Amino acid sequence: AQKVTQAQTEISVVEKEDVTLDCVYETRDTTYYLFWYKQPPSGELVFLIRRNSFDEQNEISGRYSWNFQKSTSSFNFTITASQVVDSAVYFCALRGRGGSNYKLTFGKGTLLTVNP
Amino acid sequence: DGGITQSPKYLFRKEGQNVTLSCEQNLNHDAMYWYRQDPGQGLRLIYYSQIVNDFQKGDIAEGYSVSREKKESFPLTVTSAQKNPTAFYLCASSTSQREVRTGELFFGEGSRLTVL
Repeated sequence: AQKVTQAQTEISVVEKEDVTLDCVYETRDTTYYLFWYKQPPSGELVFLIRRNSFDEQNEISGRYSWNFQKSTSSFNFTITASQVVDSAVYFCALRGRGGSNYKLTFGKGTLLTVNP
Repeated sequence: DGGITQSPKYLFRKEGQNVTLSCEQNLNHDAMYWYRQDPGQGLRLIYYSQIVNDFQKGDIAEGYSVSREKKESFPLTVTSAQKNPTAFYLCASSTSQREVRTGELFFGEGSRLTVL
């Protein structure tokens, strides 16, 4: 069985602060894929990043960075110098590779509020 | 522009009535999905379809039905058997081609169903 845990239900920061969203996952697959999605108030989920289980290299994209550590089964997401437009619900998700299991397992999400 | 269109955006239903939510995509994606989102629960998979005329139950399929007669369309019917239908419903699609098996999901803007 797969499981994704986002322990932080809500986070509130002031603009320009750095913020890290935690994600811990469980899977028995040796090959798997991790994702982060952003859900702004408009409702649709927007893809941010995908990481393969065999690629532990951290990634930076502008103000966003991701820290993948297999040893702790974590895939944390950091926003540097947060902005009001970053306010959204952020979901971490996991996809296994076995058989017909193409579906994503999502965490419960973290509501990030960035105050001006 | 390519994307996923869900309709209606807001829907009200009386108890005991069936209702159908529309999902159309012009991305030429093979796979389509329906997720349900409840406050504090994250996204849970209702049904998914990897190819026309085939679909599989997800984690919470009871009280729901789907069809996949066309590649572009994956309507979801919320039946009167669904005990707690009030929720936000998200449709998604992805390509299930072998070489792109890890493709991310593309989401619609969702349909909010309220049972009165």
